[in-house]
Formats: sequence, structure tokens, C-alpha cells
Amino acid sequence: DIQMTQSPSSLSASIGDRVTITCRASQGISNSLAWYQQKPGKAPKLLLYIASRLQSGVPSRFSGSGSGADYTLTISSLQPEDFATYYCQQYYSIPYTFGQGAKLEIK
Amino acid sequence: QVQLQESGPGLVKPSETLSLTCSVSGGSIRSDYWSWIRQSAGKGLEWIGRIDSSGTTNYNPSLKSRVTMSIDTSKKQLSLDLNSMTAADTAVYYCARMASSSWPLDSWGQGTLVTVSS
Repeated sequence: DIQMTQSPSSLSASIGDRVTITCRASQGISNSLAWYQQKPGKAPKLLLYIASRLQSGVPSRFSGSGSGADYTLTISSLQPEDFATYYCQQYYSIPYTFGQGAKLEIK
Repeated sequence: QVQLQESGPGLVKPSETLSLTCSVSGGSIRSDYWSWIRQSAGKGLEWIGRIDSSGTTNYNPSLKSRVTMSIDTSKKQLSLDLNSMTAADTAVYYCARMASSSWPLDSWGQGTLVTVSS
């Protein structure tokens, strides 16, 4: 199985801050990387796929980058609705696997 | 916009079989792939497996011996059976859509909490 490791596991930030979350795969995954946002009691919501493509309806302050085994999610200017937990997921090979999550809290 | 809705028992006894259904609306069940995922406090998000409209399945090796997935295209429903349930299987279970075989999970059901307890 491909292991996905996110860092940090939790972070505190303020409205308007720029935030970056990283995701490292245990092997190269050829940009087959998705980012999800999850709020308490809700299902995960797809934000980005193929590492950097924005899902329809997702604000442009979210962006993704990376290649090989290393990827990042950046939120350019935090809004109140962005405080949530973020997960990366590889869909390069079965079994698909997720990172452990990064909980973004208000400072 | 496709919508998914999971249903099933909220409580299962140890050693019993969990049976869940996912109803699909607002889109075609025939052209996509469908996954089951679960989320527990202890293990985070875990992909259980996927099925396509022809009934071809791929399971997570960690659960393969206990999982069966099926699809009923006429009813627009997916099914998940997980046998020999233990407390470690307590989780929120989700169904989700993948637009192709190597694609992310772009639409999710709301999830259903399953607790394993006697």
C-alpha cells in the first residue's frame, strides 16, 4: 500500500493568512492526488484533483502543486469557512489511501 | 448533480454481517465507478473498495476476506456487506462516486454511523 503522510497534523491560523499543508507519498504517484475538505459531521468534499486542478465551484484561493511523491495544498487568504480538516488521497494505485488529516483551527 | 444516500442499521452485534445500501439519484449509475469508504476515530479515512456498473470489484486487501459489494443498476443502488463485524469496524460508512477508474471521489453520500456492540 502507498502510505500518505500529511504535515502538519494541526495548525492554527488567522483570517487572511496564507496556509500550506504538505502531503508526502511513500512512492511516486504521478499527480494522482486529490485534496478534500471535511467539516464536523459532514462528508469530505473534493477540492482539487490531479494535484492542481480545482474542482468546479471551489474558490480560487485554494491551489495545489507538486509532483512525484510530494504535494502541497495552499489557501492564499483564509476565510472563516475554511476552518476544517484537510485530507490528501492518492488514487494512483489500489488500495486508494488517505493522509491522516490536517486540522486547521482559528488562532 | 448526482446525489448519494446511504442506509442501513445503526447498530450491529459482534460477529454479525453489516449490510448497507447506497441509493444514487440525479445521474447515471451505469457510467461511473462507485466506492465505499469508512471513517473511524482510530484509523481515519479507509477506502473499502469499488465497483463498476458491470459488477467488477476491487477490494482493499485489508478487508477483502470479509467484503462483498454489488450493484443493481435497475434500482440505482449499491450494496456493501461486511461480515464478522467487531468493535474495530465501528465507523461512519460513506459511498462515493468516481467518474472513471482512476479518478478521485467527487460526490459523497452524507454517511451512516455503524456501531458494533452487543
